[in-house]
Formats: sequence, C-alpha cells, structure tokens
Amino acid sequence: QQQVKQSPQSLIVQKGGIPIINCAYENTAFDYFPWYQQFPGKGPALLIAIRPDVSEKKEGRFTISFNKSAKQFSLHIMDSQPGDSATYFCAASKTGGSNYKLTFGKGTLLTVNP
Amino acid sequence: DGGITQSPKYLFRKEGQNVTLSCEQNLNHDAMYWYRQDPGQGLRLIYYSQIVNDFQKGDIAEGYSVSREKKESFPLTVTSAQKNPTAFYLCASLQQGAGMGGYTFGSGTRLTVV
Repeated sequence: QQQVKQSPQSLIVQKGGIPIINCAYENTAFDYFPWYQQFPGKGPALLIAIRPDVSEKKEGRFTISFNKSAKQFSLHIMDSQPGDSATYFCAASKTGGSNYKLTFGKGTLLTVNP
Repeated sequence: DGGITQSPKYLFRKEGQNVTLSCEQNLNHDAMYWYRQDPGQGLRLIYYSQIVNDFQKGDIAEGYSVSREKKESFPLTVTSAQKNPTAFYLCASLQQGAGMGGYTFGSGTRLTVV
C-alpha cells in the first residue's frame, strides 16, 4: 500500500520556469510534510516542510502549497536554475507518540535546461 | 561538524556473502533509520531504532539485520538471504521530541553484487 503518491516521475523545464511536483497522501493522521532534495550519489537533504495548519509556506524560491481537504500538497520552484536539477522526494509522518518514521513518495527527477 | 557518516561509500558483495554497512552519527540523535533506494522506487524503510538496544522492522526487513549497542552507531548487515541486495543504502537520524520531524541523512553506501 503506497501511502504517499508522487507525480510526475520526471520533469524537464527551461531555466526560469516553474516546475510543480505533486503529492497525495491517504493517512489523515499525518501532520508533517517535508520535501527533500537529492543530488546524484548523495543523501537527501531537507528542503522545506509544512504542517497542515497552514496552506502555504515559502522559503526562498521554494514554496509548498497544502490542501488538507484534498489530502494533497505540492512543491513549486520559482525561477528554476540548472543547479536545481535533482531528485525531489515528498514525505509524510505523524508526529508525537512512539515509532516515528517518515513515509516517502517515489521521487521526481527534475531537469532544468539552461 | 556534526553529521552522519556512512562507510564504505562503495561495497561489492559476492553471492552468499554477508556484508555490514556502517552508520555513525555525532548529532546525539535518539532515533536512527536505514532506507534502501532503488531507481523509481523511492526510499523504503528497512529497520529503525528509537533507543539503544531496541529496533523495529520496517517495510522490507527480510534479509537484513541490525544492532543498536551504542547511541551513535546503527550498523546494517545485508545477509545472504537478501536475494537482490544491489541498491543505494541510506542511513538517517532524528532527534526525538524536536517538534518538526525531519531526518538528517548520510551520504549513502552503494552496494553491488558481483
């Protein structure tokens, strides 16, 4: 059972474009939604995260939009640059309690052409 | 600098051989995790540990074993029972009770069966 569905699997944009990556979750108990960025041969790094009490969070050129009723959240990258080319993962978790763990989407390979 | 160190970066395993992947953290984090990454599959949880001398199976624990004798260390053994071990293995850690639940990842170990 895939609890976090991510799309698209891959995405190609031109420099300056606004790639959008979407995720949908099933477990309504999830209350923490991070995005990770991974470059080839490296471990993922936390990019930005949101909790369901807000509908949008912006950090630099990266914005998360969150729709609690639809159980969906998305990552937007403004003014994308070739250096943003990487694999992006969404994830979700239920904070508090024991046995805490993140559930990841399958990832989106983003290519930003010069 | 605090962080997670995974070693070796590349590892080659012969058929029928057990191998152990090292993960050490100096972040004083309570929880540690092992994920396996395959192309198009995202990150799948193998094992995780919330405290020393205790660990839980993740979604794909078969053919793997772990130990948590020290807070700083969480080695993963890939046994001969794991029939398709070729993958990128990622170790992560988390400070429990930190509020937001984002992992810190290591740089990974790429395991190849020869």
